[in-house]
Amino acid sequence: NAGVMQNPRHLVRRRGQEARLRCSPMKGHSHVYWYRQLPEEGLKFMVYLQKENIIDESGMPKERFSAEFPKEGPSILRIQQVVRGDSAAYFCASSPPSVNNQPQHFGDGTRLSIL
Amino acid sequence: AQSVTQLGSHVSVSEGALVLLRCNYSSSVPPYLFWYVQYPNQGLQLLLKYTTGATLVKGINGFEAEFKKSETSFHLTKPSAHMSDAAEYFCAVSASISGNTGKLIFGQGTTLQVKP
Repeated sequence: NAGVMQNPRHLVRRRGQEARLRCSPMKGHSHVYWYRQLPEEGLKFMVYLQKENIIDESGMPKERFSAEFPKEGPSILRIQQVVRGDSAAYFCASSPPSVNNQPQHFGDGTRLSIL
Repeated sequence: AQSVTQLGSHVSVSEGALVLLRCNYSSSVPPYLFWYVQYPNQGLQLLLKYTTGATLVKGINGFEAEFKKSETSFHLTKPSAHMSDAAEYFCAVSASISGNTGKLIFGQGTTLQVKP
């Protein structure tokens, strides 16, 4: 499967724990985007990364959330000290190096549930 | 700043009837426009996109959309609905300017129900 791979598909955490969401972009794609979908809402942009660089994090909450895209390995979205309001579906999308005019390809998402 | 408004959070049509999902956008620069479909517990799949050129865009599964700059609209249509079209549909916009990060701004989504 050459698509965008996200894991885990489902993640359950208790309040105060850490959540780590992983995303492997499509082969040949070097741009990764993270979006959050709250229940009954559309997707909201969180962060845009290229290898080893955060390009735009204007949609990231100021605290507890961080993202990285290392030179080797998947992109990671990390949520520290999770709270009930973090329950959502988190989607990763990737695109090729030429950003403009290139559609983003989405993974199937990670559904995070906070107990 | 950019924004997207999808009129009608739920649309119900009979099988074989016309599908019309409405999308209006706001953008201070020429937009790129997209329609995505989401089936339950899955990610988003691109239906079609408008970047430049012809304003009537044809996509997969018989869908098409027309970019109307004067109306700031990008409505999605399909002449004849099929049961398999039942899903959630998202309209999205990004900026076409040089240096744009490509991030998508999504509408709230429209759930399409197809009745037999």
